[in-house]
Amino acid sequence: GAVVSQHPSWVICKSGTSVKIECRSLDFQATTMFWYRQFPKQSLMLMATSNEGSKATYEQGVEKDKFLINHASLTLSTLTVTSAHPEDSSFYICSASGTSGVLEQYFGPGTRLTVT
Amino acid sequence: GQNIDQPTEMTATEGAIVQINCTYQTSGFNGLFWYQQHAGEAPTFLSYNVLDGLEEKGRFSSFLSRSKGYSYLLLKELQMKDSASYLCAVKGGANNLFFGTGTRLTVIP
Repeated sequence: GAVVSQHPSWVICKSGTSVKIECRSLDFQATTMFWYRQFPKQSLMLMATSNEGSKATYEQGVEKDKFLINHASLTLSTLTVTSAHPEDSSFYICSASGTSGVLEQYFGPGTRLTVT
Repeated sequence: GQNIDQPTEMTATEGAIVQINCTYQTSGFNGLFWYQQHAGEAPTFLSYNVLDGLEEKGRFSSFLSRSKGYSYLLLKELQMKDSASYLCAVKGGANNLFFGTGTRLTVIP
């Protein structure tokens, strides 16, 4: 199956700093990438959908100025958590869907963010 | 809005069969997915239904009834490694996935 990578796999940062998370599709071109957040023992919550070359579409309640998403190429999307606070500590997962009509999304391994 | 419901937790015995139900009410429907997720890991794809009926794949089967807004995942010959969370997700009109709360399955000897 298709492979999606995320970097870093975990990160600890201080409150007030910004953190960038990368999501890459390794063996296919991803026209659409999705960013999810998952709190402990809860399900995945869709944060935003991004199409290559255009602005991301954010779900209701997600601050677009705080969670900056860039999808500059067909293989890379980035999520930047700006001015992070402890309540932003979570598991962030990206997924990607390709151009070949494949219906399923392929998930990255996730990034564990801890804000101290 | 999107509303996808699953039982929070289930327990079943090794070797048995378990059925995990999912009901949904969504704006737009382009298919229903089941994912397995072990703690601290990303979800892995199990099955996809877009038409009514049963899809079988080895020990796992998934059923969909669009008129009832209902799906189930059937796991046969349960193994200890099947202990995980099982996520029901509906693909909406904009090609995005909305996840249910997930069902935490514990398989006991």
